[in-house]
Amino acid sequence: GQQLNQSPQSMFIQEGEDVSMNCTSSSIFNTWLWYKQDPGEGPVLLIALYKAGELTSNGRLTAQFGITRKDSFLNISASIPSDVGIYFCAGLSGTPLVFGKGTRLSVIA
Amino acid sequence: GAGVSQTPSNKVTEKGKYVELRCDPISGHTALYWYRQSLGQGPEFLIYFQGTGAADDSGLPNDRFFAVRPEGSVSTLKIQRTERGDSAVYLCASSLSGGPSYEQYFGPGTRLTVT
Repeated sequence: GQQLNQSPQSMFIQEGEDVSMNCTSSSIFNTWLWYKQDPGEGPVLLIALYKAGELTSNGRLTAQFGITRKDSFLNISASIPSDVGIYFCAGLSGTPLVFGKGTRLSVIA
Repeated sequence: GAGVSQTPSNKVTEKGKYVELRCDPISGHTALYWYRQSLGQGPEFLIYFQGTGAADDSGLPNDRFFAVRPEGSVSTLKIQRTERGDSAVYLCASSLSGGPSYEQYFGPGTRLTVT
């Protein structure tokens, strides 16, 4: 079946640093979604990407839909403590939505 | 406006028992999805409803799992003869449609523990 590989699995950064994480697949997707999940909560949608090559920003977050349609990345600029959490990429090609295993982000103040 | 709500937030049950998990989607959302999330994993698709009908139930692990959405809004996920391996967080999501607008919004989940 379709699988998404997220990297890194976890990262520790200093407050104020920029963060980059990515998601790759051997399959083509028509839509990429990035979610953040806090402990005890459901995933919250951060950014949705619908076209290959699309670059979309949401505040300090920027995500891109790879031109091969097999990858996507998420950047967070000037990280703050509330950025802590698990970030999931998800790809869609019809249904169902396929999720990666997540990148756990820790921010050191 | 209200988001997706799920009840109960936590459920502890004994092996072999029957459980029902409820999901209230965002008002006006026609598509509803159930996922299961195990520790350290991303959500795993179970079933998708478009309106009242199950459009895709390919993720249900076996026939002990069943879901309904009789009036096209609230949905119930039903698990018969629960097993310890069913322990996980069950997430519900809804979206405005099942077509091109695939932005799914998740509820907080129900944590199921089978003892």
